[in-house]
Amino acid sequence: DQQVKQNSPSLSVQEGRISILNCDYTNSMFDYFLWYKKYPAEGPTFLISISSIKDKNEDGRFTVFLNKSAKHLSLHIVPSQPGDSAVYFCAARGQGSSNTGKLIFGQGTTLQVKP
Amino acid sequence: ETGVTQTPRHLVMGMTNKKSLKCEQHLGHNAMYWYKQSAKKPLELMFVYNFKEQTENNSVPSRFSPECPNSSHLFLHLHTLQPEDSALYLCASSQDIAGASYEQYFGPGTRLTVT
Repeated sequence: DQQVKQNSPSLSVQEGRISILNCDYTNSMFDYFLWYKKYPAEGPTFLISISSIKDKNEDGRFTVFLNKSAKHLSLHIVPSQPGDSAVYFCAARGQGSSNTGKLIFGQGTTLQVKP
Repeated sequence: ETGVTQTPRHLVMGMTNKKSLKCEQHLGHNAMYWYKQSAKKPLELMFVYNFKEQTENNSVPSRFSPECPNSSHLFLHLHTLQPEDSALYLCASSQDIAGASYEQYFGPGTRLTVT
């Protein structure tokens, strides 16, 4: 059973507009959530994270929102740029894994930003 | 060199071969990870090492054998693999496995093909 899900395999937005990437999870014991970006032929790059005790974290054009009651998090990119075109992964860490380092990843969403 | 490096970038091996993947991190981190990414599947954690000690083995078959001689180097020894083991193998490191310094930084990966 997949505990972290990204139900949209792809998303296309116009340059300058907002990109919203979504992620749902099933385990209420996750205590830390992260977003990664991956370009072809490269490893994932860490973008932004949020602790389960917060509902929002912002870093430049990137903002992550966490809705614990809905077990949902989202990544907002404003404004979107063509260089943001990549695969985006959300990941979660369980409280029981805080001493093992285990992250659980979603399947990824491919974002295309059109000029 | 900076960041996390992996060698080789591409590897083709027969089912009876023995090969090794190498990962090196230049970030001064204490934890290192092996992940597997198969086509159309989420990143799957394989092993975690923290201060050279294995903290997680995610039910990985014994034909994959990790080795962590120090906090900067991580190896994945491969023997008698199966074609379904063909995937992208990613190495990552983090400052720690708990707390705020948890973000993992990935290498570019090794694309493995088992024939």
